[in-house]
Amino acid sequence: NAGVTQTPKFRVLKTGQSMTLLCAQDMNHEYMYWYRQDPGMGLRLIHYSVGEGTTAKGEVPDGYNVSRLKKQNFLLGLESAAPSQTSVYFCASSLGVGGVGADTQYFGPGTRLTVL
Amino acid sequence: DQQVKQNSPSLSVQEGRISILNCDYTNSMFDYFLWYKKYPAEGPTFLISISSIKDKNEDGRFTVFLNKSAKHLSLHIVPSQPGDSAVYFCAASVGTNAGKSTFGDGTTLTVKP
Repeated sequence: NAGVTQTPKFRVLKTGQSMTLLCAQDMNHEYMYWYRQDPGMGLRLIHYSVGEGTTAKGEVPDGYNVSRLKKQNFLLGLESAAPSQTSVYFCASSLGVGGVGADTQYFGPGTRLTVL
Repeated sequence: DQQVKQNSPSLSVQEGRISILNCDYTNSMFDYFLWYKKYPAEGPTFLISISSIKDKNEDGRFTVFLNKSAKHLSLHIVPSQPGDSAVYFCAASVGTNAGKSTFGDGTTLTVKP
């Protein structure tokens, strides 16, 4: 199993450009999440999904959109990038339902995004 | 208002000694707590968790203690090893829906040989 993978690993954008980050998981997990981590700070939840076709806002959703058309994929979009969106983005997934371990999140390796 | 706080940004201990990482929370509705470990250039990985119905959970060298009245939890690593050097995040959630986990800012642990 590859676990959780993220594409791309690095990206540099100019202000106003758009891009989509792709997250894929092969563990048949129900829940998926997008976080951002800024220097010296913890993980802040951007959006999450509790199942195929569903999405919900997290703590810092402004400036981002997401889609979960397939259970295994969770896309994060930036329509008009801003320097404040320079960060490391982590995708995660969890079983979401069931017993012990359902809440444990499995993270991807991260995408380092710089917006100039 | 930060609901999960890790007040020590960094901690340095000698190999073989005990490492104690602390976490405080303010939301009394939190009833499930997790610790994650993160190495540079990697995503966080799950370490250990505890439900509010317990006050202690142990897994090998790692033990998490929960003091609900003080809204405080701690992670003990005994004995500490150089490979334990990483950033440790405390996370808390209401119920078992980890989608609503709130993370602390992390504590960087350095274990010196």
